[in-house]
Amino acid sequence: AQSVTQPDIHITVSEGASLELRCNYSYGATPYLFWYVQSPGQGLQLLLKYFSGDTLVQGIKGFEAEFKRSQSSFNLRKPSVHWSDAAEYFCAVNTNAGKSTFGDGTTLTVKP
Amino acid sequence: EAQVTQNPRYLITVTGKKLTVTCSQNMNHEYMSWYRQDPGLGLRQIYYSMNVEVTDKGDVPEGYKVSRKEKRNFPLILESPSPNQTSLYFCASSPRDGPSYGYTFGSGTRLTVV
Repeated sequence: AQSVTQPDIHITVSEGASLELRCNYSYGATPYLFWYVQSPGQGLQLLLKYFSGDTLVQGIKGFEAEFKRSQSSFNLRKPSVHWSDAAEYFCAVNTNAGKSTFGDGTTLTVKP
Repeated sequence: EAQVTQNPRYLITVTGKKLTVTCSQNMNHEYMSWYRQDPGLGLRQIYYSMNVEVTDKGDVPEGYKVSRKEKRNFPLILESPSPNQTSLYFCASSPRDGPSYGYTFGSGTRLTVV
């Protein structure tokens, strides 16, 4: 069975600083990996995805993520955080059959 | 506008009273899925469906039923709700290559069972 671990429950960064959110997964085959963002009171929005090819993927809102098979990681990064990035971020892995597993989420707070 | 629509947005009910949360998508997506979100536990998949009349259990299916009679609709049924089903529920859909595409989520249904 697959699993996803987001080691950081809560991260605080200053506006303009860089950001990295960690995600580790466990899955026997090639994973389909995703990052979603959830603003308060909202549904989830897909930020980016990886399933093959270039291991550095670009997403919306200036986010990128790097797939590292040797470390079973898919960390999310942004060079310069904006106050509007404050939200909860979820890493997820999908199987071929449509089953999906989410991490417990990382809450991002942005200091002015 | 392409979207996943859930109804109702908020629901308070009593233990044991059957309820249905509806989910509809207008994107002609094959894949649909239900999740529940609880504080500190992320999202957990309840049921998913790869196409009409094809459904499968996720990680937490106990106490829930689903049906997929039409491509656009995927209702979640709680035959006898209990307080431990109080949660925030999300429906999501994805096109045919869903596992690699990612899901489009609805706005959520906040259910309280008293």
